[in-house]
Order: sequence, then structure tokens, then C-alpha cells
Amino acid sequence: GESVGLHLPTLSVQEGDNSIINCAYSNSASDYFIWYKQESGKGPQFIIDIRSNMDKRQGQRVTVLLNKTVKHLSLQIAATQPGDSAVYFCAETYNFNKFYFGSGTKLNVKP
Amino acid sequence: EADIYQTPRYLVIGTGKKITLECSQTMGHDKMYWYQQDPGMELHLIHYSYGVNSTEKGDLSSESTVSRIRTEHFPLTLESARPSHTSQYLCASRQGQMMGYTFGSGTRLTVV
Repeated sequence: GESVGLHLPTLSVQEGDNSIINCAYSNSASDYFIWYKQESGKGPQFIIDIRSNMDKRQGQRVTVLLNKTVKHLSLQIAATQPGDSAVYFCAETYNFNKFYFGSGTKLNVKP
Repeated sequence: EADIYQTPRYLVIGTGKKITLECSQTMGHDKMYWYQQDPGMELHLIHYSYGVNSTEKGDLSSESTVSRIRTEHFPLTLESARPSHTSQYLCASRQGQMMGYTFGSGTRLTVV
């Protein structure tokens, strides 16, 4: 299967600071990527996506950066809030039928 | 508000029992998926369907089976539960190539 992995299993940040969550993928043919947020006891929720023909996409307080040269994806969260505490997964696909998920990064936001 | 529903949310069952995990979506999505997830770990695809009467095995070997008789319903069945089946099972659906998944809240299964 595909290999999508995250560099840091746990990230602790102070409330109000910016957070950066990283993800590496192995398939250079992957052309669509999604970040998901999973809160305790819930299913993953879509945060933001990006296609391989883009290197940056912005949403509300979130930005995804894609570096195809080194096969790296990152999620930036501005002004991190306690409600951002969750596990974050990146997912990638090369055929738009199945997505492959990494192992997740837990974000802890300290008040 | 999620439009994909999984029941039960929690299930504790004895070894050898047959169980069916229910998943229903009201969005009319053609594609539906079952993922297995251990706490805090990555999601592993175990089954998927592209439409009625279409089912495929995923990348993770599983002793479960699925059926897709109706668009909105995608149940997963374990004929004989074992402790190794203890995990969280997530159902998801999507429509269109450029769309991500909509996930249900999951069923946390414990086999004792």
C-alpha cells in the first residue's frame, strides 16, 4: 500500500500560537491530498484539501502547503484555540477512488 | 451535522458471536467505505463499494463481509467475532472524485 506518515506523533502548543503539522508521502503519483481532524469519540472531519497542481491553499485559519519535490505536506493553523485539540491525519490518493491515511499527529493546545 | 450514521456506537460481545455493524447515509452518495482504526492510529481500508451490488476488499485483510443492496446502506458483518477484532470501525461515504469522505462517528467494538 501507499505510505503516508507524519513526522511528529504529538505536538503541544500554547493557545494563540500558530501550529504546524507535517506529513510525508511516498507516492509521487499522488495528486490529491486532504487533511482531516479527529476529535475524541468522533469520526474524522474534513479540514482542507489541495491538488498537486497547487502548492498552497488557504482556508479559515488553516493553510495547507504542498512540496512535491520532497513529497511533503503541512497544515498550518493560525492562532490555535483549545477547540483545535485533536488528532490530525493527512490522506492522499492517486486514483481518486481510495485514500491512504497516515498515523496521525495529536495536537495539544495549552491554555 | 453528519448525514452518515453508525450503530451501535459501542458494542461488547463474546468470542464466536456473529455481529453486524450498521452504516447508513442520507446523502445519496455512491461510494461507501469501511475503515478499521486502533486508538490514535492510522485508518486501514477494509471494504469499499462504488454503488449498489458493488463490493471490494480493501488493503487490510479482514474476516468481515459487506453488502450493498441499497445505496444508503452498507452493513459490515463478522460471522465469528474474535478478540483480535477489537477496534474502532469507521464508515464513510463520498460523491465525486474531488470530494473527501464524510465519516460516521464510528463503532467501538470490544470482543471478550
